Amino acid sequence: LAKTTQPISMDSYEGQEVNITCSHNNIATNDYITWYQQFPSQGPRFIIQGYKTKVTNEVASLFIPADRKSSTLSLPRVSLSDTAVYYCLVATDTGRRALTFGSGTRLQVQP
Amino acid sequence: DTGVSQDPRHKITKRGQNVTFRCDPISEHNRLYWYRQTLGQGPEFLTYFQNEAQLEKSRLLSDRFSAERPKGSFSTLEIQRTEQGDSAMYLCASSSRDREAGEQFFGPGTRLTVL
Repeated sequence: LAKTTQPISMDSYEGQEVNITCSHNNIATNDYITWYQQFPSQGPRFIIQGYKTKVTNEVASLFIPADRKSSTLSLPRVSLSDTAVYYCLVATDTGRRALTFGSGTRLQVQP
Repeated sequence: DTGVSQDPRHKITKRGQNVTFRCDPISEHNRLYWYRQTLGQGPEFLTYFQNEAQLEKSRLLSDRFSAERPKGSFSTLEIQRTEQGDSAMYLCASSSRDREAGEQFFGPGTRLTVL
């Protein structure tokens, strides 16, 4: 499985755009890039998944450069409720196999 | 609510006791996973089922741990002779059949405290 590196923590203020970058230099051809969000005392929640270029949904955008060795999760106009841990995962078969989580990025949104 | 449910949400036990947790996946999902999460760390994989078959077990799953999924529906995770190091959040997740690149749906977890 490709190893990922992401910042341990980030701070932001309400209304700002937050970009969390994940490095995955050893990503394999068949790997997808997946982001999960986890609030305290809850299980992780799927946010977004992509293979290349840009993916956008109602929650976030995922930017993936052509070499796919990194990716950026973009949260537009964060609110206090976006305070959580964000995990970047790189793997194939994410819907059919065990997931490998790192320590994630702890995002703290201030008022 | 049609999400993944887990019971109990919290469990406090004394060292040496046995505990059992239950997970009810989303009804049409054939894959079920157990993870363990300690404070400040991401979830770690323990085991997973496809229908009633246990297909993979992590080395983290010592002999004191056993998981079952009779009839391919709910699953139980039992820990025998609990140790203080077993204190953690135990998470269950499920995913639908035949989805390659997709999401796993996690339950709220069972927080175990071993005194």
